[in-house]
Amino acid sequence: DAGVIQSPRHEVTEMGQEVTLRCKPISGHDYLFWYRQTMMRGLELLIYFNNNVPIDDSGMPEDRFSAKMPNASFSTLKIQPSEPRDSAVYFCASSFGGAGHMNTEAFFGQGTRLTVV
Amino acid sequence: KNQVEQSPQSLIILEGKNCTLQCNYTVSPFSNLRWYKQDTGRGPVSLTIMTFSENTKSNGRYTATLDADTKQSSLHITASQLSDSASYICVVSARGNTGKLIFGQGTTLQVKP
Repeated sequence: DAGVIQSPRHEVTEMGQEVTLRCKPISGHDYLFWYRQTMMRGLELLIYFNNNVPIDDSGMPEDRFSAKMPNASFSTLKIQPSEPRDSAVYFCASSFGGAGHMNTEAFFGQGTRLTVV
Repeated sequence: KNQVEQSPQSLIILEGKNCTLQCNYTVSPFSNLRWYKQDTGRGPVSLTIMTFSENTKSNGRYTATLDADTKQSSLHITASQLSDSASYICVVSARGNTGKLIFGQGTTLQVKP
């Protein structure tokens, strides 16, 4: 398996524009996570899905953020409208079994570096 | 409040030397603790996963320890190499919470020749 695949790797957009980040989890994994990483706050969980169903979106900062998982092999994180403070690296991760389970390993993608100017 | 704190924030060592990174957590009830390595521009990669009953776990030159009583963990790197330069993140999950990993801020390690 090629691992968790994210696209694009880099995105530069103007304030107010819509941004869509994409993620393909590892085949067979039943959990998918979206994280945001900044220097100030480190890694923060935004939302996670189990079997394509959103379980906890309490980390989504504002209504401008939305995430979908239409099937087991694809998820999107959308920001509309984008703002400069959204600039960060966004990671997608997947696992077989939840994070709280013993010996469950979460595999991370390479991340999307978003810059909003 | 569930928190994970790491020290030091950054560290510079010479190639070949050993170092130890620290992690203190207040997550309860505890399920497991992981150490991740994150190279610049890449996603975190798991080094070790430890549960309540495990005191030590090794992965090559990396050895993690866990003291569940004091809620402390350490990551010891032996005979450091230039490729060890990265951010090391301590991550804890609570029992019963299947989704949330609680991340420390990481320790940035730089190994110099």
